[in-house]
Amino acid sequence: NAGVTQTPKFRILKIGQSMTLQCTQDMNHNYMYWYRQDPGMGLKLIYYSVGAGITDKGEVPNGYNVSRSTTEDFPLRLELAAPSQTSVYFCASMTGGNANTEAFFGQGTRLTVV
Amino acid sequence: DAKTTQPPSMDCAEGRAANLPCNHSTISGNEYVYWYRQIHSQGPQYIIHGLKNNETNEMASLIITEDRKSSTLILPHATLRDTAVYYCIACNAGNNRKLIWGLGTSLAVNP
Repeated sequence: NAGVTQTPKFRILKIGQSMTLQCTQDMNHNYMYWYRQDPGMGLKLIYYSVGAGITDKGEVPNGYNVSRSTTEDFPLRLELAAPSQTSVYFCASMTGGNANTEAFFGQGTRLTVV
Repeated sequence: DAKTTQPPSMDCAEGRAANLPCNHSTISGNEYVYWYRQIHSQGPQYIIHGLKNNETNEMASLIITEDRKSSTLILPHATLRDTAVYYCIACNAGNNRKLIWGLGTSLAVNP
């Protein structure tokens, strides 16, 4: 089991460029999440999905888009990158249903917008 | 989900027990208490969770007060590798299992 895999690990973008952060999990989890973490802060939820074809906004969705065409993959799209999007991005997954299960996290994508 | 409150930082001597407190006075009856940690800005790692009863696993013990308004994570014999930020989160099955993260407690284990 690879768990949750994120690519790339590091990326530098110029202002106005776009990119897709990839996230895939091999645990057949229904629920998937994208978080961002700014220095010295906790994680903030960007978008989440409770199953293929279903996505919803989290706390800080502006400037981002997601899709969930398969159970395994949950890519995060940045359009027109801005310096405020410089952050570390984490993808997570968990089984749905009851609250008695934990989340699994990827190792993060460190994005710098210059 | 209930908001949690944790001290911003703590120190512990290597080999001693580390006791990390968490206040969750507004927790509802169906919310579990989860603990995660984050080492060197890596992806958060699950430690333990519980609802009412105390829990123990190979990593830690979780003590939840009878009124469920607070809990304590215990690392019985802290090592240098336990230096990390520890997050206490209250989560229920509703609200799509979204985790609301605070600032956590930065634990420094000293030799």
